[in-house]
Amino acid sequence: EIVLTQSPGTLSLSPGERATLSCRASQSVPSSYLAWYQQKPGQAPRLLIYGASSRATGIPDRFSGSGSGTDFTLTIRRLEPEDLAVYYCQQYGSSPGFTFGPGTKVDIK
Amino acid sequence: QVQLVQSGAEVRKPGASVVLSCKASGYTFTTYYIHWFRQARGQGPEWMGIINPSGGTTSYAQQFQGRVTMTRDTSTGTVYMDLSSLRSEDTAVYYCARSAIIEPAGMDVWGQGTTVTVFS
Repeated sequence: EIVLTQSPGTLSLSPGERATLSCRASQSVPSSYLAWYQQKPGQAPRLLIYGASSRATGIPDRFSGSGSGTDFTLTIRRLEPEDLAVYYCQQYGSSPGFTFGPGTKVDIK
Repeated sequence: QVQLVQSGAEVRKPGASVVLSCKASGYTFTTYYIHWFRQARGQGPEWMGIINPSGGTTSYAQQFQGRVTMTRDTSTGTVYMDLSSLRSEDTAVYYCARSAIIEPAGMDVWGQGTTVTVFS
């Protein structure tokens, strides 16, 4: 089973700054089947990125994903107050699959 | 519009069972898998299992084997998740989500979640 770790646990930044979130897999993620989700309090997760770097429908281009193999990154350019959330990475390429990382909480100063 | 609408909150005693539903609309039901996840307070989502609405085939996470059953009704576009032998640790928000059968691209539509509370 692929285990995902995320860092940092919490990121505290000011509006307009850039956020860089890391996701590392215990083994190579097949076909870069790696996704990123945003979850705000009391809401379901929202798909941001799939295939490591493709933005989901309706996601602003401030959000971008990169990486392959075992190391992946989510970058949020020009943070906005509404970006306050927990961000999860998820692999969906191997069975038993669909595991999530523990999440990175983004706080807006 | 494309949506997954889940059934309402449930309260159960330990040892009981619960059946949750997830009704799909706005797309062709048989072209997307449906997954079930759960999320305990302060934790990340945990994958429970998957069903292919086309043929009804299922696959469950090992930790739920023997306790979970997923079924579907193609006439109504609804998926059901039956979880038995409930314990307090099963208290969580349960979500259904879809993913494409062809060209997987993550879970792009989620239900609103159903809170299940287990206490004596």
